Amino acid sequence: AQSVSQHNHHVILSEAASLELGCNYSYGGTVNLFWYVQYPGQHLQLLLKYFSGDPLVKGIKGFEAEFIKSKFSFNLRKPSVQWSDTAEYFCAVNAKGSGTYKYIFGTGTRLKVLA
Amino acid sequence: NAGVTQTPKFQVLKTGQSMTLQCAQDMNHEYMSWYRQDPGMGLRLIHYSVGAGITDQGEVPNGYNVSRSTTEDFPLRLLSAAPSQTSVYFCASSALAGERMEQFFGPGTRLTVL
Repeated sequence: AQSVSQHNHHVILSEAASLELGCNYSYGGTVNLFWYVQYPGQHLQLLLKYFSGDPLVKGIKGFEAEFIKSKFSFNLRKPSVQWSDTAEYFCAVNAKGSGTYKYIFGTGTRLKVLA
Repeated sequence: NAGVTQTPKFQVLKTGQSMTLQCAQDMNHEYMSWYRQDPGMGLRLIHYSVGAGITDQGEVPNGYNVSRSTTEDFPLRLLSAAPSQTSVYFCASSALAGERMEQFFGPGTRLTVL
């Protein structure tokens, strides 16, 4: 069965520090990859997505992610975090299984940025 | 354009009670899904639908039923509530099942089962 692993469950950074959140998936077929963010008390919003082409994708608020097919990874990065980036981040895979597509989410990484 | 709406926002049930969580979208999305969010477990897919009349089970379907009679609505029914179903429930929709479109999420329903 397809699955998504996020290795960092809690991350604490100071403002201006660099961020990298890991995401690995297990699925051998065609996948679309996403990162979503959930700010405190809010619902999930899309940060960025990868479908095909350039494996380095840029999203909103200075976030980017790199798809490395050989490693089944889609890590999220940001060169310099801000206090407002405090949120929970979810990696998600949209893959075809049992004849239809469904989305599978990772367990999330809770990021706290200290001012 | 309201996007994805969910009602109620909060609900408290007693063990054994049944209820329906409502979800509607006005974006003409074929794909709709229900997730539950629990601390440390991320979002787990309960049921999903790729169009009116078509539903399928996700990772944690037990204790829940869904139906999709229209494109717009995708209600989630709890048949006999249990404390293990205490969670935050999110409904989501996307433009095309299996296509490369993002999911749009509703604001969530926080359910407590006593």
